[in-house]
Amino acid sequence: QSVLTQPPSVSAAPGQKVIISCSGSSSTIGNNHVSWYQHLPGTAPKLLIYDSNKRPSGIPDRFSGSKSGTSATLDITGLQTGDEADYYCGTWDSSVLAGVFGGGTKLTVL
Amino acid sequence: QVQLQQSGPGLLKPSQTLSLTCAISGDSVSTNIGAWNWIRQSPSKGLEWLGRTYYRSRWRFDYAVSMRGRMSINSDTSKNQFSLQVNSVTPEDTAIYYCARNYVDRGLDHWGQGTLVTVSS
Repeated sequence: QSVLTQPPSVSAAPGQKVIISCSGSSSTIGNNHVSWYQHLPGTAPKLLIYDSNKRPSGIPDRFSGSKSGTSATLDITGLQTGDEADYYCGTWDSSVLAGVFGGGTKLTVL
Repeated sequence: QVQLQQSGPGLLKPSQTLSLTCAISGDSVSTNIGAWNWIRQSPSKGLEWLGRTYYRSRWRFDYAVSMRGRMSINSDTSKNQFSLQVNSVTPEDTAIYYCARNYVDRGLDHWGQGTLVTVSS
């Protein structure tokens, strides 16, 4: 069981929007930066969002993040078939001094 | 441009020691604004953070609770690389292992290509 809780799967049609949630605690999301990663099979994970809502260069603005209290969300708009992947949130756990990831959410673009 | 190149054996027997190396180009392992991490993904499971090393006046290390006592990370400044060792492996350690850089607080922004490690008798 992961320290951060994500829905196992989400789905939507091309062009639509999805929101992926990530729930933690005061020792994780509540007091630390949140990052989001896209993971396609056979490739290394890719950083989409850091510091809860910032995009690295090259990441389209269809991807956005937010944080409130002990939860964070990743919004993906204008869905494309190429967005089908597993998405993970990650942060630091100040109580045990270790990094943590959510269990991952599989996005299906119908 | 930062690049991480992983190397190490992909097949181990139970009780052996897993050793992987991550060679860094485009950055320094002893940077004082980054950290060097190991992450794995077991079959049909999610990402698991294993540990990290970083240099802030001295070398520092953090390890996942589940790996403490069985895992170590070392750095080699002469070769600009860092390495992972996991002792007494079992089939549950079968996974794809990744190295990754954490730049300041900007997430894990560069990753190695991944190494599939299989533990089987």
